[in-house]
Amino acid sequence: EAAVTQSPRNKVAVTGGKVTLSCNQTNNHNNMYWYRQDTGHGLRLIHYSYGAGSTEKGDIPDGYKASRPSQENFSLILELATPSQTSVYFCASGDAGGRAETLYFGSGTRLTVL
Amino acid sequence: QQQVRQSPQSLTVWEGETAILNCSYEDSTFDYFPWYWQFPRESPALLIAIRPVSNKKEDGRFTIFFNKREKKLSLHITDSQPGDSATYFCAAQTSGGNYKPTFGKGTSLVVHP
Repeated sequence: EAAVTQSPRNKVAVTGGKVTLSCNQTNNHNNMYWYRQDTGHGLRLIHYSYGAGSTEKGDIPDGYKASRPSQENFSLILELATPSQTSVYFCASGDAGGRAETLYFGSGTRLTVL
Repeated sequence: QQQVRQSPQSLTVWEGETAILNCSYEDSTFDYFPWYWQFPRESPALLIAIRPVSNKKEDGRFTIFFNKREKKLSLHITDSQPGDSATYFCAAQTSGGNYKPTFGKGTSLVVHP
């Protein structure tokens, strides 16, 4: 079964501070995604990656950076955290076999920016 | 611009009834439509999916009906159970390279016993 692990599970940060959210997948999936989930907005794509060394902007990339140093790891970086970035963040990896992609989500990181 | 729309935002049914969740999309290049469900305090997981080559996909009590001409699809949950209470997300993707999935805002379903 697909395994996607996020850390930390919970994070409290101060405004203006730097936050790094980590994601690790053990299924050798090429595609990885970062979403944030807020009430009334569903899942919104922040950044994604097609493989090691690549990152692409999603639908709401402002204020976020991403890093994919290896097939297994994909990080989301908030250089200057703001209260509006308080949210639940989900990482997902994608199995694109057969031209249909199933996403496997991590357990989420609840970020609070004070 | 919202590419994938879902309605209603929330839905309440009684146990045993059929719940109908709607989804529409705008981009005609979308050719794969997965539905994910998410239970409280858990992460989303794939429930069922359909390709436009067929207009119906069934998996137990869950059925997707697809209307390519109108760019609409619906998820029918027959004999709804309290354990089906969750948020349901309709997603859409274009295969063939750029797999980036686009999600709707979700429908929160509550099934009362």
